[in-house]
Order: sequence, then C-alpha cells, then structure tokens
Amino acid sequence: QKEVEQNSGPLSVPEGAIASLNCTYSDRGSQSFFWYRQYSGKSPELIMFIYSNGDKEDGRFTAQLNKASQYVSLLIRDSQPSDSATYLCAVIPGGYNKLIFGAGTRLAVHP
Amino acid sequence: GAGVSQTPSNKVTEKGKYVELRCDPISGHTALYWYRQSLGQGPEFLIYFQGTGAADDSGLPNDRFFAVRPEGSVSTLKIQRTERGDSAVYLCASSFGPSGNTIYFGEGSWLTVV
Repeated sequence: QKEVEQNSGPLSVPEGAIASLNCTYSDRGSQSFFWYRQYSGKSPELIMFIYSNGDKEDGRFTAQLNKASQYVSLLIRDSQPSDSATYLCAVIPGGYNKLIFGAGTRLAVHP
Repeated sequence: GAGVSQTPSNKVTEKGKYVELRCDPISGHTALYWYRQSLGQGPEFLIYFQGTGAADDSGLPNDRFFAVRPEGSVSTLKIQRTERGDSAVYLCASSFGPSGNTIYFGEGSWLTVV
C-alpha cells in the first residue's frame, strides 16, 4: 500500500465550478498535510497546509482534514483555466521530517 | 538569490558516466531536501540534511547515489555509473527547519541518461 494515494485523473471541470481533489494516507501518526500545485515542467508550489481536523480556507481554496478516516481533500471554488495543473498531496509521517507525496491528480478546467 | 537555485537545469549524459547536481538553498535555510520525480509521478524523497549532516538518507535508491553538504549551505547530489533508469527531474528544496509549511522547491535539474 502506498503511503499517500490520489486518483490520477484527469479531473475535468467547467470554468466556474467547484473542483474536489481527494487524498488518503496510511500513517495514522501523520500530523501535517499539504497541497502543492505543479504546472507542467515546473516545480511544486505550496498552496495550502493543514494540521487540525476540519476545514481551512484561503481565498478560493479550502483544505479539509479528517484524521479518523485518514483523508485530506482540497476544494477549489470558481475554478479557472489557470487552475489547470497537477495537484500533489503531501504528508509528513509521524516521527519524520520529510514530505511524502502522492502521485498527483491532474485537473483540467475547461472554458 | 531569492529562491532555491539548482544547476545544471538540464543534463544529458551517457550511461555509465558520473554526474553531479548542485543545489544552492535559500540563505539561512538549515534544512535541505533532495527529491526525484519521474514523469507522471509525485516527487520521491531521497535525502534530508539538517545543517551539514544527513539526518535521513533512507530514500537513496542504492550506493551509486550520494549527497554532501559540507558547509551546511550548498549541497551536491552525486550519481555514479548512471543508468537509463536514473533519468528524471531531481528537485532540491529547503526550509528554515524541519517544517513543511516553509519548504521551497527549486526548478529542478532534468537528467537524461542515454
């Protein structure tokens, strides 16, 4: 079982819709959770981090964490074509100081 | 510089050759990470430095891979006897400490082994 799992997509949504990206992780001791955006040919860019159960909002982005179910999600409201990218979920497992990444979900927002 | 700097940005080498990839972290960042990313995959952890020492090298795939950070700043990832399977983007990242919320990635070194 991979430590961090994501649906590879592509997830296709129309412009203006809500895009929902999901991620599950295997280490129950994990305390820190991150979403990175990666445009083709570019390096990952941090867009959200969350440590506590519940929701965290930043502009059009909302991260949701449920530690009991070991999943973390990212909602993107009012999706724009410029949001088209691969979204990487990353976790710091308990007792470690390194990010473990999922394979990423490719998001395509069409006009 | 303002960000994490990696050189070279692109490297094509022949199978069996030796390669060095350099990373210059953001000034003042004590933690430095190397990741490898293959097409269609997420970044794969290789090694983490806290200061000069390798705090976690569990991701290095085999003894052909080695990394150093002698003065606690610039790091070099060294790959001996390169194989075609080593072709990937090698990403360096740095942070003030072992805290993911402040981690910043460089643009990567694209390695192609032919």
